[in-house]
Amino acid sequence: QVQLVESGGGVVQPGGSLRLSCAASGFTFSNYGMHWVRQAPGKGLEWVAFIRSDGSNTYFADSVKGRFTISRDNSKNTLYVQMNSLRADDTAMYFCAKAWSGNSFDYWGQGTLVTVSS
Amino acid sequence: QSALTQPPSASGSPGQSVTISCTGTSSDAGGYNYVSWYQHHPGKAPKLMIYEVSKRPSGVPDRFSGSRSGNTASLTVSGLQAEDEADYYCGSYAGRYNWVFGGGTKLTVL
Repeated sequence: QVQLVESGGGVVQPGGSLRLSCAASGFTFSNYGMHWVRQAPGKGLEWVAFIRSDGSNTYFADSVKGRFTISRDNSKNTLYVQMNSLRADDTAMYFCAKAWSGNSFDYWGQGTLVTVSS
Repeated sequence: QSALTQPPSASGSPGQSVTISCTGTSSDAGGYNYVSWYQHHPGKAPKLMIYEVSKRPSGVPDRFSGSRSGNTASLTVSGLQAEDEADYYCGSYAGRYNWVFGGGTKLTVL
């Protein structure tokens, strides 16, 4: 069965950096685009970034453009997001999600919590 | 503020039907056949319930249905069951590799 497991969350000071990972299993990882989506406390979902199946192209929400980088290692079935210049409003649960038909997200992880605070 | 507007709450008794709305614009929910709905029990992974406005993934009960009129998409849950109590989010492709979501609706089964 498909499994997505995020890791790497934690508490970081404003201006700091953090790298999140998402380990994928149960499907051919290299065949699918992948997303990061976040949810701030008490708020709705916010799309963060997308990477194509072969890593050739990446796309970002305006709120993180220039600060976040998305990447993947298809040999390790792992998705990453490098988050730099973190701000308080980046505090959120971060989910990885598999891209699917109709620009939907068919499998999600349980998330990893990032808290930006001094 | 989320790009798509959902009511913060909805409720119904077991066996009843409830409909959750999701209002966007012609640049997202009304402009593409790429509206999807997600069920989220806090602490668990969100689950895809509807994609491409009205299609159900394998394994999703046919009690869940999706539709759209203009810029407003809707999720209807028929024959409410206790396990349907969760947060529900709509999502839409918004063009130029941008995706948007709603603020979520907490569904309570009375």
